Amino acid sequence: DVKVTQSSRYLVKRTGEKVFLECVQDMDHENMFWYRQDPGLGLRLIYFSYDVKMKEKGDIPEGYSVSREKKERFSLILESASTNQTSMYLCASSSTGRNQPQHFGDGTRLSIL
Amino acid sequence: AQRVTQPEKLLSVFKGAPVELKCNYSYSGSPELFWYVQYSRQRLQLLLRHISRESIKGFTADLNKGETSFHLKKPFAQEEDSAMYYCALSGQSDSWGKLQFGAGTQVVVTP
Repeated sequence: DVKVTQSSRYLVKRTGEKVFLECVQDMDHENMFWYRQDPGLGLRLIYFSYDVKMKEKGDIPEGYSVSREKKERFSLILESASTNQTSMYLCASSSTGRNQPQHFGDGTRLSIL
Repeated sequence: AQRVTQPEKLLSVFKGAPVELKCNYSYSGSPELFWYVQYSRQRLQLLLRHISRESIKGFTADLNKGETSFHLKKPFAQEEDSAMYYCALSGQSDSWGKLQFGAGTQVVVTP
């Protein structure tokens, strides 16, 4: 069974801090994704990666960056956290192909004070 | 640009009644469509995809290209169907499986 593990379920940080969210998958998937989930807005793609060291911007990349140094690990970085980045963050992974399902982690609820 | 619209934020139905969640999409090519579900305190997971043409937990969804819709239906709702449901689309250029999600519909099934 696919396992996508996000390092923290809950995180509280202060404005201006640099924040790291970590995600690890154990199924050798090529693709990894970071979303934020907000009520009434659904899931919005921040960044995705289709290979090690490769990354593509999603729909809302501003204020975020990512790192994929190893195939199984995809990190989301908030360069200077702001209160409008308070949200639920979901990581997902999938095999390559349009029909392949995405497998999600439990999410990290991030609060920026 | 591709877009997925779920017009209902909240759907409240009685147990045993039929339930239909609407999903409309805007896309000029040939889309791949999915329904994902998130039960309370569980992770988001795939419910079904149109290419599989299968029924999962009694749910079915038919792709109607003429109406650009992919509505999710179940003839008799159960309390365990209470969850958040998301419709999602993958475009022809999204070879890596990138998805566009709708805003979601919260389903509440009352006894």
